[in-house]
Amino acid sequence: DQQVKQNSPSLSVQEGRISILNCDYTNSMFDYFLWYKKYPAEGPTFLISISSIKDKNEDGRFTVFLNKSAKHLSLHIVPSQPGDSAVYFCAASSSLSGSARQLTFGSGTQLTVLP
Amino acid sequence: EPEVTQTPSHQVTQMGQEVILRCVPISNHLYFYWYRQILGQKVEFLVSFYNNEISEKSEIFDDQFSVERPDGSNFTLKIRSTKLEDSAMYFCASRQQGATYEQFFGPGTRLTVL
Repeated sequence: DQQVKQNSPSLSVQEGRISILNCDYTNSMFDYFLWYKKYPAEGPTFLISISSIKDKNEDGRFTVFLNKSAKHLSLHIVPSQPGDSAVYFCAASSSLSGSARQLTFGSGTQLTVLP
Repeated sequence: EPEVTQTPSHQVTQMGQEVILRCVPISNHLYFYWYRQILGQKVEFLVSFYNNEISEKSEIFDDQFSVERPDGSNFTLKIRSTKLEDSAMYFCASRQQGATYEQFFGPGTRLTVL
């Protein structure tokens, strides 16, 4: 079941440059999308989210873009810092799952920011 | 800042034994969840809990699994008779009721079934 796909298992970026992490989804009923960051031996940490009624949401160095027609979202981190090195998960939820809105996760992208 | 806590951080058990994984969600949150991540695989939804009952569950959440909120703060996941394939990281999450759907995760319990 590949409803949420992150096709790049890894990404390396130089410190100070932009990191762009991509995510595609197949379920058109998804209407809320989230990005999480995960360090080894820790739980996922919420970063930023976007509702399907928007196409962009920004929070400090993090911006998420949503292209509904392409069923694609991306997370931009600028400038990238070595502390951003972690696995980044894209997740989605749908109102069809009821008020619980459980998350469907992608497989994650390991971001490495090189000093 | 309030956070979700989980105990134990690592549980080792023999196949066929019962285990209980414990979570303390963020205090004003009303929705509670369990997810698991088998090594090398995606984070998968198991079950959601709201208003003292299961609201949704996945195909993984079969009769071997149960959840309970025994008091005002704890949220537990019980696996009645563990199998080798239950070995995974188990994450508890919680969220507020409202128009945003961010879930906040605990640090996880690593379950190893021998």
